[in-house]
Amino acid sequence: AQKITQTQPGMFVQEKEAVTLDCTYDTSDPSYGLFWYKQPSSGEMIFLIYQGSYDQQNATEGRYSLNFQKARKSANLVISASQLGDSAMYFCAMRGPGDYQLIWGAGTKLIIKP
Amino acid sequence: ETGVTQTPRHLVMGMTNKKSLKCEQHLGHNAMYWYKQSAKKPLELMFVYSLEERVENNSVPSRFSPECPNSSHLFLHLHTLQPEDSALYLCASSRRTGEVGYNEQFFGPGTRLTVL
Repeated sequence: AQKITQTQPGMFVQEKEAVTLDCTYDTSDPSYGLFWYKQPSSGEMIFLIYQGSYDQQNATEGRYSLNFQKARKSANLVISASQLGDSAMYFCAMRGPGDYQLIWGAGTKLIIKP
Repeated sequence: ETGVTQTPRHLVMGMTNKKSLKCEQHLGHNAMYWYKQSAKKPLELMFVYSLEERVENNSVPSRFSPECPNSSHLFLHLHTLQPEDSALYLCASSRRTGEVGYNEQFFGPGTRLTVL
């Protein structure tokens, strides 16, 4: 069965430092997609970045990059030069069975300290 | 209005009440979703509609009843809920699978529901 694991329930990071949020996944499907979302305290899930299993390069989107290690089945999110506004819950998700399902991790609460 | 909007943002109801949650998307998508987010649990997919047709229903109790009158609007009708139904209910939309792109889901701000 497909599964997403986020092992860090919470993290404290100093402002301007880089942050790595861990995500490991399990699937037997050779074709899959991985997503990262940010959820501020306001509640809205904000899409950050996507990595397809056949993408040759790691995805990048502004200050966000995805450290995709297929053999290890990990898709860690890296945030460079963290800002106070980065404080939020971060969720890793994988496209699941069927056309619309996303399998979600439990999330990591990131707090950026000034 | 842009993106995905949800009303109300907060709702408190008794177990015998009937209420509805509303979601509207302004992105031209034709798939819409209801999720339940409870504390310390992963996001749970409740319902999916594609082109106004229900395509997924993940064993949700019948006290939750979805309605999708068109591709821009999605409702969740609630009746005789239980206290354990208290949660954040999130609506999302996306392009349909098979269309160009990886079909990321765009979310609304959610409705924080408390059942007394």
